Amino acid sequence: DAGVTQSPTHLIKTRGQHVTLRCSPISGHKSVSWYQQVLGQGPQFIFQYYEKEERGRGNFPDRFSARQFPNYSSELNVNALLLGDSALYLCASSLGGGVGIETQYFGPGTRLLVL
Amino acid sequence: SQQGEEDPQALSIQEGENATMNCSYKTSINNLQWYRQNSGRGLVHLILIRSNEREKHSGRLRVTLDTSKKSSSLLITASRAADTASYFCAFMDTGRRALTFGSGTRLQVQP
Repeated sequence: DAGVTQSPTHLIKTRGQHVTLRCSPISGHKSVSWYQQVLGQGPQFIFQYYEKEERGRGNFPDRFSARQFPNYSSELNVNALLLGDSALYLCASSLGGGVGIETQYFGPGTRLLVL
Repeated sequence: SQQGEEDPQALSIQEGENATMNCSYKTSINNLQWYRQNSGRGLVHLILIRSNEREKHSGRLRVTLDTSKKSSSLLITASRAADTASYFCAFMDTGRRALTFGSGTRLQVQP
């Protein structure tokens, strides 16, 4: 079975541009979460989606948005890019969207560089 | 901050030695998980320990959890060069659906 897939693997943008990152969860998983990992730090939670609805949001500005499609894949959009948005963006999938004990499985990430 | 703290930040050992990493957190948790990350790529899930468990084993991994001290440790026994990676603890607060990650421990295993 395929794991979580993300595209693209690498991306270079300039300040002020917009970017769209894509994620396909493990087959059968209905929940997708997005994390941002700045170099040298642990991942920080951005969003969780379950059954196409936002179930959680981290402390990120409104420039960050996401959505989940009927096939449970997801997009993360970032507008008006800043230098500080340079990071590894990780997508994780899990079976359900419940609170509590759930293992999240991570994709390989998209490395975004903003110049 | 709800971030977990890990120590040490970096650890260098010889092959065959044991490696111990510690994680502390500040909130009430449902579970605590450990992940490995190679060269800044995706995270690989290693082990999950529930809040009502005190110790768990998986192969060469041993995890302990002390909820009274809000701390956990990951022990890797008989380390190998392939264990070289960054290790993160991650916990799920009660009432939340997102993982909060620690700052990570960079482990270097010298052959």
